[in-house]
Amino acid sequence: GAVVSQHPSWVICKSGTSVKIECRSLDFQATTMFWYRQFPKQSLMLMATSNEGSKATYEQGVEKDKFLINHASLTLSTLTVTSAHPEDSSFYICSARPPLATPYNEQFFGPGTRLTVL
Amino acid sequence: ELKVEQNPLFLSMQEGKNYTIYCNYSTTSDRLYWYRQDPGKSLESLFVLLSNGAVKQEGRLMASLDTKARLSTLHITAAVHDLSATYFCAVDRYASGNTPLVFGKGTRLSVIA
Repeated sequence: GAVVSQHPSWVICKSGTSVKIECRSLDFQATTMFWYRQFPKQSLMLMATSNEGSKATYEQGVEKDKFLINHASLTLSTLTVTSAHPEDSSFYICSARPPLATPYNEQFFGPGTRLTVL
Repeated sequence: ELKVEQNPLFLSMQEGKNYTIYCNYSTTSDRLYWYRQDPGKSLESLFVLLSNGAVKQEGRLMASLDTKARLSTLHITAAVHDLSATYFCAVDRYASGNTPLVFGKGTRLSVIA
């Protein structure tokens, strides 16, 4: 199946610093990627939809100035957590679908990035 | 608002026993996804159910979809320890297009000897 990668897989940073997380589709082009956040022992919640060449669409309650999304190419979306605080500590997972129609219309998930803010 | 409800949220099973996880959803979607998540890991796709009456099986897991009842089940047969994980069901948020998923809260399964 299609492969989505994320980098880094984990990151520890100090409060107030910014952290960039990359999401890449390795063997297909993705005009749209999705960013989810998962707090410990909870489900995945959609944060934003990343659109290549245009602004991201953020879910209600997600601060667009804090979580900057850039989808500069058809294979790369980045999520930058600005001025990170301990409450931003979470597991961030991106996903994408290959553009060609398939019977399963399946979404492929990256391996996730665990962010810990001290 | 689209809702996806799973039950139970926690399940402790003895090895060798059978059990079913239920997933109810509020959309009219005819497509439903099941995922497995191990601690500290991302999601592993288990099943994609495409239409009413769809049934898929892989090893000790069998998933089914009833779109009229808006219900999917994940049945576990003769559980083994390796099945211990969190299981999520999810549906497409929108009926068409490149849509994100809406997830249930997950069922944390623990298989004990």
